[in-house]
Amino acid sequence: AQSVTQLDSQVPVFEEAPVELRCNYSSSVSVYLFWYVQYPNQGLQLLLKYLSGSTLVKGINGFEAEFNKSQTSFHLRKPSVHISDTAEYFCAVSGDFGNEKLTFGTGTRLTIIP
Amino acid sequence: EPEVTQTPSHQVTQMGQEVILRCVPISNHLYFYWYRQILGQKVEFLVSFYNNEISEKSEIFDDQFSVERPDGSNFTLKIRSTKLEDSAMYFCASSLQTSGVLYEQYFGPGTRLTVT
Repeated sequence: AQSVTQLDSQVPVFEEAPVELRCNYSSSVSVYLFWYVQYPNQGLQLLLKYLSGSTLVKGINGFEAEFNKSQTSFHLRKPSVHISDTAEYFCAVSGDFGNEKLTFGTGTRLTIIP
Repeated sequence: EPEVTQTPSHQVTQMGQEVILRCVPISNHLYFYWYRQILGQKVEFLVSFYNNEISEKSEIFDDQFSVERPDGSNFTLKIRSTKLEDSAMYFCASSLQTSGVLYEQYFGPGTRLTVT
């Protein structure tokens, strides 16, 4: 079984400042890791995913995340945020077989302060 | 760009009534999923469906729930006798299938179910 912990429920950040949203996972098997974004009144959109290979993965909208196996973390970063980044961000994990269910964290609400 | 669609966007029902939530997955996808998100809580897996049968279900997915692919395009979630605690946003997702290879799950916009 897998689990995901998102340590911050809310993160306020000034516009154009950098941001890091933290995610730690627990699993007894190899995993795939994901970050999804949910804009107000919309569904979930995939930002980026880690399957294997390079531990630094780049996604859409200027976001990137780094997989750290020893620390079981997959933190999301962006060097300069914009108002349009205001959303809920979910870290998720699945087993590495393929087409397995996603296990989500509780989400982090990112609020950009003008 | 192809997308997953869900209807209705908001459903209000009385406790004990049956509801059917509808989803149209992306046309060439073969794996289908339902997740739910109770207000303020995390997104939780309910069930996955492949080749006209359930491939995995969570402990939430009890006998009150059922899924069906009645035709070549729709994928439905039925709740037989709704309870107050079924109030949540329900997300449908779909993905391509290839054994051992991960494909992204594409999510629909969700149906907000309110049980009164």
